[in-house]
Amino acid sequence: TGVTQSPTHLIKTRGQQVTLSCSPISGHRSVSWYQQTPGQGLQFLFEYFSETQRNKGNFPGRFSGRQFSNSRSEMNVSTLELGDSALYLCASTTRVASFTDTQYFGPGTRLTVL
Amino acid sequence: QKEVEQNSGPLSVPEGAIASLNCTYSDRGSQSFFWYRQYSGKSPELIMFIYSNGDKEDGRFTAQLNKASQYVSLLIRDSQPSDSATYLCAVTHNNQAGTALIFGKGTTLSVSS
Repeated sequence: TGVTQSPTHLIKTRGQQVTLSCSPISGHRSVSWYQQTPGQGLQFLFEYFSETQRNKGNFPGRFSGRQFSNSRSEMNVSTLELGDSALYLCASTTRVASFTDTQYFGPGTRLTVL
Repeated sequence: QKEVEQNSGPLSVPEGAIASLNCTYSDRGSQSFFWYRQYSGKSPELIMFIYSNGDKEDGRFTAQLNKASQYVSLLIRDSQPSDSATYLCAVTHNNQAGTALIFGKGTTLSVSS
């Protein structure tokens, strides 16, 4: 099975918070999160490995995440803003060469903030 | 600021032709390079990765890497209407803190029958 994400779609209002979930491919221990918007494209949010955040992009502290012992991951966005409307993608990572990791994306969660 | 640049397109080619997609990157420390395909309304799908200078072929797809010129390309031979999608170039600068894909904004390819 591939990467799974839930929910598929979500509608929230400004000021609310939201939690998105991701289950990586079985055996993959690293999960990354990305935000995709028409204007900015795909942007890296953060990466988790063995329940620890090991890399972080340039997003405000309202964006946070965590990873559980079974490698499942959640990301949370607090105090939602209209600009947070986006497709949120989770990627599962596996090493394919000595210094090359490949990332496989889930179907994404479409968040709309009204 | 690490950047990845792609022509937004649209790149239009007739069915059966070769489509050439190009990408440049700014960070000389970049080590691995990826091409993803994204259909409208779907998530990105990995097509190929390359990390050594030269060509890498997989079926109708060939990735080309020139680290000296900081240039990556994707050739699609015998283009089909089903290849019509947005193609995203991504690079990583692996470090001990993990990896993060830096994406270009994508090139839209349209293959006409």
